[in-house]
Amino acid sequence: DAKTTQPPSMDCAEGRAANLPCNHSTISGNEYVYWYRQIHSQGPQYIIHGLKNNETNEMASLIITEDRKSSTLILPHATLRDTAVYYCIVSGKNNNAGNMLTFGGGTRLMVKP
Amino acid sequence: ETGVTQTPRHLVMGMTNKKSLKCEQHLGHNAMYWYKQSAKKPLELMFVYNFKEQTENNSVPSRFSPECPNSSHLFLHLHTLQPEDSALYLCASSQDWGRGYEQYFGPGTRLTVT
Repeated sequence: DAKTTQPPSMDCAEGRAANLPCNHSTISGNEYVYWYRQIHSQGPQYIIHGLKNNETNEMASLIITEDRKSSTLILPHATLRDTAVYYCIVSGKNNNAGNMLTFGGGTRLMVKP
Repeated sequence: ETGVTQTPRHLVMGMTNKKSLKCEQHLGHNAMYWYKQSAKKPLELMFVYNFKEQTENNSVPSRFSPECPNSSHLFLHLHTLQPEDSALYLCASSQDWGRGYEQYFGPGTRLTVT
């Protein structure tokens, strides 16, 4: 699966939008972009995923560039409870490899009052 | 609540003990996973089961033995562990093993090997 690059940490003011970038320049045509987050010592939480089109759900929006080499996760109104490590993962190169997730270091988002 | 439960939440065991971790999913999913998260390291995939059949073993030592009696339950049997096996063990499930399905994680079992 393609490798992803994320900034190690970011700050965001409470109530403002948090925009978390991810580079995945070697992504292949079949690979999905997934976002998960992990609050300290808890299990990772699924946020959103997409293939080519932008996606939105009740938690966040995912913006994927037209060439699919990068994406941005947007938390529209960050709260203190959004403080977590956010992981951008590319997976699903072929159906034989299935749904294997390779977690990197992620971005540690700190939401400040 | 993600619909994936794990027991126990905390476990302390000696190197000569035998213990088991249990995972149960209430989502009607067909694929289940075991991950390991050591201190200050990324999550590592250990095993994958799809429709009760093991599809992936990520070079895990034989002192870790998974069991999947049905699509809703997954066990990780532990024996003669080492202190470096102390970690957070996470279970996850997804609708299917194929591409495009998101995984839902349990809260994890914090294991300490003494």
